[in-house]
Amino acid sequence: AQRVTQPEKLLSVFKGAPVELKCNYSYSGSPELFWYVQYSRQRLQLLLRHISRESIKGFTADLNKGETSFHLKKPFAQEEDSAMYYCAPLGATGTYKYIFGTGTRLKVLA
Amino acid sequence: EAGVVQSPRYKIIEKKQPVAFWCNPISGHNTLYWYLQNLGQGPELLIRYENEEAVDDSQLPKDRFSAERLKGVDSTLKIQPAELGDSAVYLCASSSNRGGLNEQFFGPGTRLTVL
Repeated sequence: AQRVTQPEKLLSVFKGAPVELKCNYSYSGSPELFWYVQYSRQRLQLLLRHISRESIKGFTADLNKGETSFHLKKPFAQEEDSAMYYCAPLGATGTYKYIFGTGTRLKVLA
Repeated sequence: EAGVVQSPRYKIIEKKQPVAFWCNPISGHNTLYWYLQNLGQGPELLIRYENEEAVDDSQLPKDRFSAERLKGVDSTLKIQPAELGDSAVYLCASSSNRGGLNEQFFGPGTRLTVL
């Protein structure tokens, strides 16, 4: 069965500290991996996708196919990073079916 | 660009009443999705449209839920009759899927409360 696990419901870090939001997936085939973010009172929006290998707002995510993980990392957290983060694998090409994780709420403390 | 538009933003009804949600996707986006998001959970897909065709409705509880996208643009999701457990946020999203980007753009959601 296809499954996404985000083990931490809440992650609190101090400003300037490194942050890692964990995501493990169980998925047939080779899914495309995404991270979506929802800031307070805003819409759910794309943060980054693994295929782009980009850094967005200082965040990066490495796909580890051996461990089936796609952890989101940032070396120095900022207060404006406080938000809800969802890991979302996308099914095989053509199905366009996301399965969202339960989400991790990141709180960056001053 | 207004983005994905949903209405109403909030709806409070009594159980057994019908309710409908409306979504207008981003212009030119041929794919439209309806998601259900319960408190403390991630969004769960209810139905996906490619133009006017429902290509994935396997998660839609068809005894009480229905959806349509008659002209392949805006869409309506209906619940009849509503139950207490239907209280949730209903999200609409759209994507163009051109160039293999696969990014979904979400609306603000409709928060439904069933009393």
